[in-house]
Amino acid sequence: AQKITQTQPGMFVQEKEAVTLDCTYDTSDPSYGLFWYKQPSSGEMIFLIYQGSYDQQNATEGRYSLNFQKARKSANLVISASQLGDSAMYFCAMREMGGSEKLVFGKGTKLTVNP
Amino acid sequence: NAGVTQTPKFQVLKTGQSMTLQCAQDMNHEYMSWYRQDPGMGLRLIHYSVGAGITDQGEVPNGYNVSRSTTEDFPLRLLSAAPSQTSVYFCASSYEGEDTDTQYFGPGTRLTVL
Repeated sequence: AQKITQTQPGMFVQEKEAVTLDCTYDTSDPSYGLFWYKQPSSGEMIFLIYQGSYDQQNATEGRYSLNFQKARKSANLVISASQLGDSAMYFCAMREMGGSEKLVFGKGTKLTVNP
Repeated sequence: NAGVTQTPKFQVLKTGQSMTLQCAQDMNHEYMSWYRQDPGMGLRLIHYSVGAGITDQGEVPNGYNVSRSTTEDFPLRLLSAAPSQTSVYFCASSYEGEDTDTQYFGPGTRLTVL
């Protein structure tokens, strides 16, 4: 069974600094995808970044990058130059590849960016 | 392109009442799903569908029914609401089989069962 663990219920960061949100996963499937979503206080789920299990390089999307360590089964999200608008809940999720679209989510990390 | 739409945005039910949460998408996505989000629990999959006429259970299906008569619509039915079904419900859709494609989420329905 798939499992996603986010061990940081809450994180604080100063504006303009970088922050890392942790995510570890457990799966016996060799093919999988890892996602990060942002959920601001307004409630919508916003897709941030994707990493495939066979991707050779870490994914990057603007200020977001994914620190993918396959052997450790970790997929940490790095946000550079934090902004006040980054304050939100962040969810890590995993999906088995090869046709199944089901996502398994972690419990989330609440990020607060301080001015 | 409206994306994924959900109605209603808010709903209050009494225990034992039934209702249907509506979900529609205009992106011609094959895959649609329903999640519920409870405090401290992340999102959990209720039911999903890989195409019209095909549905299957997710992690927490009890108390919910779904059907998929068209590609666009995927309603979620609560047959007899219980307080344990108080939650925020999200509908999502994506292309089937696109390994790098994300799921697009609707804005959510906040349901309270008294």
